[in-house]
Amino acid sequence: DADVTQTPRNRITKTGKRIMLECSQTKGHDRMYWYRQDPGLGLRLIYYSFDVKDINKGEISDGYSVSRQAQAKFSLSLESAIPNQTALYFCATSDLRSPQYFGPGTRLTVT
Amino acid sequence: AQSVSQHNHHVILSEAASLELGCNYSYGGTVNLFWYVQYPGQHLQLLLKYFSGDPLVKGIKGFEAEFIKSKFSFNLRKPSVQWSDTAEYFCASSQAGGYQKVTFGTGTKLQVIP
Repeated sequence: DADVTQTPRNRITKTGKRIMLECSQTKGHDRMYWYRQDPGLGLRLIYYSFDVKDINKGEISDGYSVSRQAQAKFSLSLESAIPNQTALYFCATSDLRSPQYFGPGTRLTVT
Repeated sequence: AQSVSQHNHHVILSEAASLELGCNYSYGGTVNLFWYVQYPGQHLQLLLKYFSGDPLVKGIKGFEAEFIKSKFSFNLRKPSVQWSDTAEYFCASSQAGGYQKVTFGTGTKLQVIP
């Protein structure tokens, strides 16, 4: 869905490096989310934000941080990447009455 | 806490067979329910949603789901699958009203054999 974009789409990094994944949306939604997807585990919520001044931890926030720079931008950072953070990361957006719309995903590999 | 269970992890069907994927949720209050599909190498796309009203929900591509409150279920159905339906399917729920934190099931991989 071109309304939600993620950069980069693929990234290989080394253990201990800091990395930022970015998400932008043009849907005008106020709510944004970061998930990671692992085989057999489905999607797990890392962080979510209901407006620019609101940031909340999800199920698996340890080792991650986020920044909501504007209504349309929500970044996810791995302060010191480790191999078990290798996963597919999805950004999603919604508003009060809509389901979530997902970005194309970022495939992150930590070696 | 909410949870969503999808009991079938991997389903293999021949083309034209009927499909039913199970989904059960745990929240006892009013819920919103969703089915998403993820085609190979792609992101999640919404198939259908239930917020209120008619418990039989029609979605895109011939899919439908039925909300049965007494069984805490929201099973996905399609009368005749096609090879192009090969994908992973995720059931999800959220509490109705208020903020919208969605809980996803672990997914069901559907493989349709031509």
